[in-house]
Amino acid sequence: QSVLTQPPSASGTPGQRVTISCSGSSSNIGINTVSWYQQLPRAAPKVLIYSNNQRPSGVPDRFSGSKSGTSASLAISGLQSEDEADYYCATWDDSLNGWVFGGGTKVTVL
Amino acid sequence: EVQLVESGGDLVQPGGSLRLSCAASGFTVSSNYMSWVRQAPGKGLEWVSIIYKSGSTLYADSMKGRFTISRDNSKNMLYLQMNSLRTEDTAVYYCARIAYTNNWYWGWFDPWGQGTLVTVSS
Repeated sequence: QSVLTQPPSASGTPGQRVTISCSGSSSNIGINTVSWYQQLPRAAPKVLIYSNNQRPSGVPDRFSGSKSGTSASLAISGLQSEDEADYYCATWDDSLNGWVFGGGTKVTVL
Repeated sequence: EVQLVESGGDLVQPGGSLRLSCAASGFTVSSNYMSWVRQAPGKGLEWVSIIYKSGSTLYADSMKGRFTISRDNSKNMLYLQMNSLRTEDTAVYYCARIAYTNNWYWGWFDPWGQGTLVTVSS
């Protein structure tokens, strides 16, 4: 059972917009910033979004992040086949004194 | 180029020990906050430990007392000593740098190594 709650799966057709939610609490998302990671099949995770809504250089602007209260979300617009991957949210938890991850969301391009 | 390369993963019996290594290039380990994150087969990501710039350390509750994170500044290496291993410790172990702009606990993991597989089984 992950501290941060994500839907296990999401899907869309090419070109569609997909949104992934990440629900936490007042001890984690409520007071700390959120980062998002993309893990392609058989690969290491890679940061997609940091500080709630910042994109590292090289990450397409199709990916965007937001945070409100104790929840965060990742949006993928203009879905492409290469976006098929697992996506994880993460943040620091002040009560646990450590980082916590969401359980991951598998995105499928139909 | 900023890069991390893990090694040391192996098959080990329950109760055994193993030391993982992470070689850094393109940056200095001792000037950064460094972490280990693991992923059990078919499961999600789980934070393991962090070593601060100061050398202080923190661990996830299930690893406290069994795992020890350390670094060798002269070799620019990060380590994870794992003792009293359990079958549930079977996972790919990733080392990662914690990047940040203001507070380190508002940081993010970047880059990640390619991971090294630890299998605990009799």
